[in-house]
Amino acid sequence: DAEITQSPRHKITETGRQVTLACHQTWNHNNMFWYRQDLGHGLRLIHYSYGVQDTNKGEVSDGYSVSRSNTEDLPLTLESAASSQTSVYFCASSDKKSSYNEQFFGPGTRLTVL
Amino acid sequence: DAKTTQPTSMDCAEGRAANLPCNHSTISGNEYVYWYRQIHSQGPQYIIHGLKNNETNEMASLIITEDRKSSTLILPHATLRDTAVYYCIVAYSGNTPLVFGKGTRLSVIA
Repeated sequence: DAEITQSPRHKITETGRQVTLACHQTWNHNNMFWYRQDLGHGLRLIHYSYGVQDTNKGEVSDGYSVSRSNTEDLPLTLESAASSQTSVYFCASSDKKSSYNEQFFGPGTRLTVL
Repeated sequence: DAKTTQPTSMDCAEGRAANLPCNHSTISGNEYVYWYRQIHSQGPQYIIHGLKNNETNEMASLIITEDRKSSTLILPHATLRDTAVYYCIVAYSGNTPLVFGKGTRLSVIA
């Protein structure tokens, strides 16, 4: 069955290190999104992509970058991890051809920056 | 910022209907109302969406007022597994990113 996966599921890192979170989907969806969720809050959009070589900044993009070299993957990189980036990160994808906005979410990555 | 207002929390007895309200007074003519839910620590899950008419699927019903300024998500027979945070989101169809508010935490009680 088609799915969306994230790895690692849990990550502990130190301040200043570069960290990359992986997101892989097998639906062949053009649209992919990264959100972060902090305790007691809803999801906030970090970056998104509508296709290969396309990337766009979201509400909270500072300190994060993405690249889209193929349809299946949208890795999220924290250039220099900060304690404020401790959060749960969710990746999502949706079908460009769909007439409505159903996004499929991955299981999340819990990142702790010490 | 989210364009919707929802109660912070609600309780519902198991087996009864759960009615979750949402206000979206600034919704534009081409924007849809989407509902997602997030069960503890999991990724959000799509439930239902609508534009003007009431909608029903195997999970829930969506009632949208005639002026489109508010809506209600109805879970007809709530179970313990429906305990989750429910997000009401206003967005255009297709590819636009979703803006999540804080949602309503629904607790289904046995």
